[in-house]
Amino acid sequence: ETGVTQTPRHLVMGMTNKKSLKCEQHLGHNAMYWYKQSAKKPLELMFVYNFKEQTENNSVPSRFSPECPNSSHLFLHLHTLQPEDSALYLCASSSGTGVGREQYFGPGTRLTVT
Amino acid sequence: KNQVEQSPQSLIILEGKNCTLQCNYTVSPFSNLRWYKQDTGRGPVSLTIMTFSENTKSNGRYTATLDADTKQSSLHITASQLSDSASYICVVSLFSGGYNKLIFGAGTRLAVHP
Repeated sequence: ETGVTQTPRHLVMGMTNKKSLKCEQHLGHNAMYWYKQSAKKPLELMFVYNFKEQTENNSVPSRFSPECPNSSHLFLHLHTLQPEDSALYLCASSSGTGVGREQYFGPGTRLTVT
Repeated sequence: KNQVEQSPQSLIILEGKNCTLQCNYTVSPFSNLRWYKQDTGRGPVSLTIMTFSENTKSNGRYTATLDADTKQSSLHITASQLSDSASYICVVSLFSGGYNKLIFGAGTRLAVHP
């Protein structure tokens, strides 16, 4: 339950603001992920980091900027967002990216863009 | 196109009753299939995982089935409890681009009423 933490849990920001989401995993994993979950839609993979290196950018707009300073921490920097970016942003981690590696999810940050 | 379709979109049952959730997928090449439970305001938590050769897997009152020929899976919940109220997400894995890529369904929202 506390293996992957995310802060803040809720965030309201204007379209001209700059904010950051933080994710920390305490599971000793080396891969971390950002997902976006919009209402009634499947989770969408945004970014994948493996051993601090970005291995996947799923055509995410540049107003979302990820940062992975080490295998335990992952950030998502936000700037000039649009109202349609309002969603639940989930972080996950896994012990590698191979077949069968289970991803453990954090509780998410509920983002509202006004 | 790799897709996961779930039905029904939402379901209401009375406490103590059984229910079955459906998942159809068109993911290839198939690696494994997971069912996740996502409580409101929380991240998804894995319930079961099945590989190509497995056709049933149980976790307490949850039983998942997999028919790899017809590309269908189901999650059966027995003797439902109020705490089973959540979204249930079917997730199919494929190994692509050097990592385990997850394709998510939109989920079935289950409400268990007393």
